[in-house]
Amino acid sequence: QQQVKQSPQSLIVQKGGIPIINCAYENTAFDYFPWYQQFPGKGPALLIAIRPDVSEKKEGRFTISFNKSAKQFSLHIMDSQPGDSATYFCAASSTRPSGNTGKLIFGQGTTLQVKP
Amino acid sequence: GAGVSQTPSNKVTEKGKYVELRCDPISGHTALYWYRQSLGQGPEFLIYFQGTGAADDSGLPNDRFFAVRPEGSVSTLKIQRTERGDSAVYLCASSLRGPPSHFGPGTRLTVL
Repeated sequence: QQQVKQSPQSLIVQKGGIPIINCAYENTAFDYFPWYQQFPGKGPALLIAIRPDVSEKKEGRFTISFNKSAKQFSLHIMDSQPGDSATYFCAASSTRPSGNTGKLIFGQGTTLQVKP
Repeated sequence: GAGVSQTPSNKVTEKGKYVELRCDPISGHTALYWYRQSLGQGPEFLIYFQGTGAADDSGLPNDRFFAVRPEGSVSTLKIQRTERGDSAVYLCASSLRGPPSHFGPGTRLTVL
C-alpha cells in the first residue's frame, strides 16, 4: 500500500512532442505529489508538485494532471526539447499529522529521451 | 556553496568495515534528509532531521545505520559492519521547510 507505481519505464519522443508519464498509488493518506528530474551523475531536483485539492497544475512547459478518484497522476511535458532528456520520478507523501512532506515514496523512474 | 554538497563522491570499502558519509546542506536550511538510491530505482527514504534532532528515522534499515546532525547544519550518515547490500548512492537533501527541493550529487558507496 506504500508503493507508487510509475510507467512507462522508458520513453522516446521527437523534439516538440508531448511525453506523458503516469503514476498510481494506493494509500489514500497521501496528500502531496511531487515530480523530480534527475540527470546522470546528479541528484534529483524538484520540478513541480500538486496537492489533491486541484486537478491540474502548470509550471512553464510542465503540467501535472491529478485524478483523485482513480488515485492516479501524470506529468506532461509540452514542446519537449533534447535538454529535457533525463530520468523523471514521481513521488508521494502524507503530510499528516506532522505537516512535513519530506518522507517521500518514489516511483521507479522513467528515462526520457527527446530526439532532435 | 550554492547547493547541497556531499563527500566523498565515491567510497569503496570492504565488507565489515565502517564508513561515514558527509552532507553539507544549503545554508540556513533547517530540514535535512537522507535517501539512498539503488541502480535503476527511485530514492528510498532513510531519515529526516529538523534542526539537530531526528524527526523521523523510520527508513533506516537496521541498527547498523546511524545519522547525526549535532549543530543543525552538517550531517553524517554512519554505517557499521558494511554489507554488500549496502552498495548504493546515498543522497542528501535539504529544505527550509516542506519537501526536499534539491538533492546533493550523492555518495556512491561500493562494498566489496
